[in-house]
Parts: sequence; structure tokens; C-alpha cells
Amino acid sequence: GENVEQHPSTLSVQEGDSAVIKCTYSDSASNYFPWYKQELGKGPQLIIDIRSNVGEKKDQRIAVTLNKTAKHFSLHITETQPEDSAVYFCAASIGSGYSTLTFGKGTMLLVSP
Amino acid sequence: NAGVMQNPRHLVRRRGQEARLRCSPMKGHSHVYWYRQLPEEGLKFMVYLQKENIIDESGMPKERFSAEFPKEGPSILRIQQVVRGDSAAYFCASSTRTDEKLFFGSGTQLSVL
Repeated sequence: GENVEQHPSTLSVQEGDSAVIKCTYSDSASNYFPWYKQELGKGPQLIIDIRSNVGEKKDQRIAVTLNKTAKHFSLHITETQPEDSAVYFCAASIGSGYSTLTFGKGTMLLVSP
Repeated sequence: NAGVMQNPRHLVRRRGQEARLRCSPMKGHSHVYWYRQLPEEGLKFMVYLQKENIIDESGMPKERFSAEFPKEGPSILRIQQVVRGDSAAYFCASSTRTDEKLFFGSGTQLSVL
């Protein structure tokens, strides 16, 4: 089955800096890669996703890049703010019409004022 | 448009008791997924259901766990004869028929004493 590795497990940055979280996946058939943000005591919230026919996608301060050959994808957050502090999860699925996502173990991002 | 609703938010059970977790999907969503999250772990897929049908239960333990999504009412995840190892956060997600984007509820924290 699919295996998703996520790094780093924790990331501390100063407000205004950029943050990058990286994930690798094992199944070359995977073609859907969402990123979720989870705040304390809440469920994961979808923040951005990318499909395998696209190499990069951007939404305001958030961008995701995908390298299918290397089987890795990354989340980039620019101009970080304290409210960006949360646990971020990457995930992958084969996208066969439904979505049994395989998640990474998460990255705890702490943005200091 | 209300999001995915889960209840209860917290559930305490003694070993050997039964736990019932409920999930109402977002309006217009006919697909429901259950995930389990252990401390400092990513979410693990358990089961995927459509109305009155279990589509994929490959992530759900064969014993003591069952799930349903009846024609009327919420989806139910049922854990019989709970053990301490069942203590975790259980998240429900829903999606539309043809979209892989999953929207998660706030979860049920199950604690087994």
C-alpha cells in the first residue's frame, strides 16, 4: 500500500519568514495530494490540494509543488503569521473515484511573533 | 451550510463497554469516511461508506468494529467491548459523489478507562 513520509516533524519560524514542509510517497499510481491544517481540538481542514497533472499550485501565501518523478511534494507558506501555527498533514491517494487518503505523520509549525 | 457534524465530542467508556460514534455529513455529501488518529500520528483510514453500503473497510479491524450509513440518519461507528488501545480521536469526513476533496468533522475523542 501507499506510504507517506513527512518532514520535519516540528518547525519553528519567526513571523514573516517562510516555512517549507516536505513529503514523499511510495505509490507511483497516487495522483491526488491534499494538505490539511489541524488546530488544537479541531478536525483537519483542507487548505490546498494538487493533482498529478499539475506541477505547482498557489493560493495567496500558500503554494504546493509536486515532482512526480521523484515522488515528492512540498507545502510552502510565505510571510508566516502566528495564526499559521498548527499541525500540517500531507496526504496522497490514488484517486480512483473516491479518496482513501494516506496521511503523513504531521508537522507542528510554530510561528513566533 | 453546516459542516460535518460529529457527536459526542468526548466519550468515556470503561473496558468492555460499547462505544457509538455518530457522524452527519455535509449537506449534499453522500460519501462518508472514518479515520482514527493516535497521539502524534497521522490519520489512519478505517472505512468508506455510501448510503446503505460499505464500499471499503480495509482499514477497519475485523473484530469489534463495525460501521453503517443508513438511508436515514447519521453514519455510526460502533466499537464493541472497548479496550484501552481503542483510545484515540475518531474523525469522520464526507465528500460529494465524484470529488475527492474530503471535509472533516471536529472528531470524537474516545477515552477507555
